[in-house]
Amino acid sequence: GAGVSQSPSNKVTEKGKDVELRCDPISGHTALYWYRQRLGQGLEFLIYFQGNSAPDKSGLPSDRFSAERTGESVSTLTIQRTQQEDSAVYLCASSRPSLGEQFFGPGTRLTVL
Amino acid sequence: QKEVEQDPGPLSVPEGAIVSLNCTYSNSAFQYFMWYRQYSRKGPELLMYTYSSGNKEDGRFTAQVDKSSKYISLFIRDSQPSDSATYLCAMSANTGNQFYFGTGTSLTVIP
Repeated sequence: GAGVSQSPSNKVTEKGKDVELRCDPISGHTALYWYRQRLGQGLEFLIYFQGNSAPDKSGLPSDRFSAERTGESVSTLTIQRTQQEDSAVYLCASSRPSLGEQFFGPGTRLTVL
Repeated sequence: QKEVEQDPGPLSVPEGAIVSLNCTYSNSAFQYFMWYRQYSRKGPELLMYTYSSGNKEDGRFTAQVDKSSKYISLFIRDSQPSDSATYLCAMSANTGNQFYFGTGTSLTVIP
């Protein structure tokens, strides 16, 4: 079956603009995670969705960041008023909680000019 | 103190060498442990997944977990140039909880 997909693969935007990143998890995976990976750095947890439970937003760096997920399907990560320090690869992962392994998408490379 | 510590390297070895990659952690509640491989400009790919302590072997890869020492390892035997990548460890207390990642170790296998 298909893996986790993300779109767009690359996004270049101007400082101050809003961007929306999309993640399609693996079918049947109830858990969905967003991470940020700056150049040469590890993964920085942003937000976690599990089914219909309230999301764990503890990793969101500021109120400019938000994410939504409809049921157990697509998720969108929105960054408002982008700043240059938002430039990074944004990775999405999904998993079945009973197994725990996370499967990652290819990421969206965001560049804020 | 970070939840997970991982030496970033870089690590450079000749082809055929045995590679040892390690992570330490501070949270004794962690019981799910994973190793990911990440090629440049790609998403992380799950390599090994273990629960609690012990060893797990898959081909040239062996994962070890020592919960008493809060220490996990990934061994790569007969390393190949195609193993050149960044290796990330990850762990969690429960499958439905947040996962904590190491910063990754960059590995280069020289032909």
